[in-house]
Amino acid sequence: SQQGEEDPQALSIQEGENATMNCSYKTSINNLQWYRQNSGRGLVHLILIRSNEREKHSGRLRVTLDTSKKSSSLLITASRAADTASYFCATEGRSSASKIIFGSGTRLSIRP
Amino acid sequence: DARVTQTPRHKVTEMGQEVTMRCQPILGHNTVFWYRQTMMQGLELLAYFRNRAPLDDSGMPKDRFSAEMPDATLATLKIQPSEPRDSAVYFCASGLAGQGVTQYFGPGTRLLVL
Repeated sequence: SQQGEEDPQALSIQEGENATMNCSYKTSINNLQWYRQNSGRGLVHLILIRSNEREKHSGRLRVTLDTSKKSSSLLITASRAADTASYFCATEGRSSASKIIFGSGTRLSIRP
Repeated sequence: DARVTQTPRHKVTEMGQEVTMRCQPILGHNTVFWYRQTMMQGLELLAYFRNRAPLDDSGMPKDRFSAEMPDATLATLKIQPSEPRDSAVYFCASGLAGQGVTQYFGPGTRLLVL
């Protein structure tokens, strides 16, 4: 069963704008991660946020976590053409010993 | 620059043939994952290992798929016999178990079963 579900499924914005993607999950987690996948490539880890954290930053990325709502968001500020990719959230459940479940992803397109 | 390597990168085979995919995890990583990605199903976890021992292979069709780690530097995924529905990209990822396993993905094996 799928743990994380991203929203929206696809997003197209103008270069320079901010992009926000959301992830909802179902069960209690140890942590939540965001990954990026460029077409035809493997996934690349972006950021990890633990269940006791509410917000985390890395460069132009900002991730929030609301465990009461079982949701997370990924914000990419000042988007660039190179940000065009699919973005996945992945959750590690409390009782699953490192088992990480990926969502279905958001396909982000940046228009020049 | 340490990377996960996978071979072959592409494989075209006929239905009924055996397929073996190999993965070399990053040296020192103790957790290895196998995923399958298709347009319809997305990214599915097939199996994963910790310290070479299988922890969970519930995502894998047992009758035709098998995953092993003969040693710490090699993980294999076999399909026998292969079927057209097995066509997908198979990813291997490795990580270090601890406070959250950050996974490092290989480039994938693109499998086409005719």
